[in-house]
Amino acid sequence: DAKTTQPPSMDCAEGRAANLPCNHSTISGNEYVYWYRQIHSQGPQYIIHGLKNNETNEMASLIITEDRKSSTLILPHATLRDTAVYYCIGYYNQGGKLIFGQGTELSVKP
Amino acid sequence: EAGVAQSPRYKIIEKRQSVAFWCNPISGHATLYWYQQILGQGPKLLIQFQNNGVVDDSQLPKDRFSAERLKGVDSTLKIQPAKLEDSAVYLCASSLGLQYTQYFGPGTRLTVL
Repeated sequence: DAKTTQPPSMDCAEGRAANLPCNHSTISGNEYVYWYRQIHSQGPQYIIHGLKNNETNEMASLIITEDRKSSTLILPHATLRDTAVYYCIGYYNQGGKLIFGQGTELSVKP
Repeated sequence: EAGVAQSPRYKIIEKRQSVAFWCNPISGHATLYWYQQILGQGPKLLIQFQNNGVVDDSQLPKDRFSAERLKGVDSTLKIQPAKLEDSAVYLCASSLGLQYTQYFGPGTRLTVL
């Protein structure tokens, strides 16, 4: 399973886009990039995942570079409720494990 | 669709006592996971079930931790005897199968005094 690197913390103004980067230079060709977030005192919440192509759902967009060595999670209009720890995980879904790092603590400020 | 249910939400015990946590996965999910999350760290996988069989328990401290999923639905995680370092949040997750997205429950916060 790929090791990922994320900044420990980020701030974002409410209503602006939050762009959370993740480096995963050791990711293999069959490992997905998964994003989860964890709001204080809650379990991790699935956000989005992708393999090669950019992905979008009702929560966020995931932009993966062509060489797959990094990705960016985009929350288009951050709200105070998006304040959480965001985890980027390289995951081989044919028997791999979700290995959580330290994540990025995103603070959305009014 | 109901999410993963866990109980209790909070538990305080003294060291050397035993404790059990219960998890009810999302209906139809064959794979069930137990994670331990120590304060300030990301969750760490303890054990993984596929139906009622264990797929991976390599990170489970088997001298004191045990888990079962007898009928392939609900699961119980037990600690006996508890140590101070077992203070953590215990998270249960489930997925349709091994290759599907995992969904987490709210967790049980255990404090060992």
